[in-house]
Amino acid sequence: EAGVTQFPSHSVIEKGQTVTLRCDPISGHDNLYWYRRVMGKEIKFLLHFVKESKQDESGMPNNRFLAERTGGTYSTLKVQPAELEDSGVYFCASSREYDLGLSIGAGNTIYFGEGSWLTVV
Amino acid sequence: DQQVKQNSPSLSVQEGRISILNCDYTNSMFDYFLWYKKYPAEGPTFLISISSIKDKNEDGRFTVFLNKSAKHLSLHIVPSQPGDSAVYFCAAGDYTDKLIFGTGTRLQVFP
Repeated sequence: EAGVTQFPSHSVIEKGQTVTLRCDPISGHDNLYWYRRVMGKEIKFLLHFVKESKQDESGMPNNRFLAERTGGTYSTLKVQPAELEDSGVYFCASSREYDLGLSIGAGNTIYFGEGSWLTVV
Repeated sequence: DQQVKQNSPSLSVQEGRISILNCDYTNSMFDYFLWYKKYPAEGPTFLISISSIKDKNEDGRFTVFLNKSAKHLSLHIVPSQPGDSAVYFCAAGDYTDKLIFGTGTRLQVFP
């Protein structure tokens, strides 16, 4: 079974440009999450999709960030226009079931991708 | 306000000995906890989890202990191996499945 895959793995763009990150979750996982880690700080939640619906987007930093998950399969995260402080690593994650507190004992968990490393210069 | 804290930024352990990584939390609404292992330039790899209704979960060399009254959990690795050298993240979640991560502890296992 393939894991969570992300593309591109690395991206260097100039301030003001646009970047689109893509995530393919594990097959059959309805829940898809975006997280990011900037400046070596802790990994922080951005948003959560359940199928194609945004369940929680409370972590999105501002309206320069747009996430979509058309058809409930892969997801894209667009940053437009990119700013210097957007540099960091963007992780995508997925899980099979919602409300892990009910299913964590049965082996359900959240799996992360390798990350997309974004540098804005 | 940091809800999940890993107060030790680094830990050095000799191969074969026990590694103990600690994590404290402040939110009593968390109902599960996860440990992830992360190598440089890679994503977090799931290691082990524990539900808040348990006080211990074991998987091979890895055991997680949860003390709810103290709002503290720990990850024990026995015996430690050089391949265990990585950054370990503690994460906590509630019904929203929005994980709150600690800042990580870098474990180095030396021969």
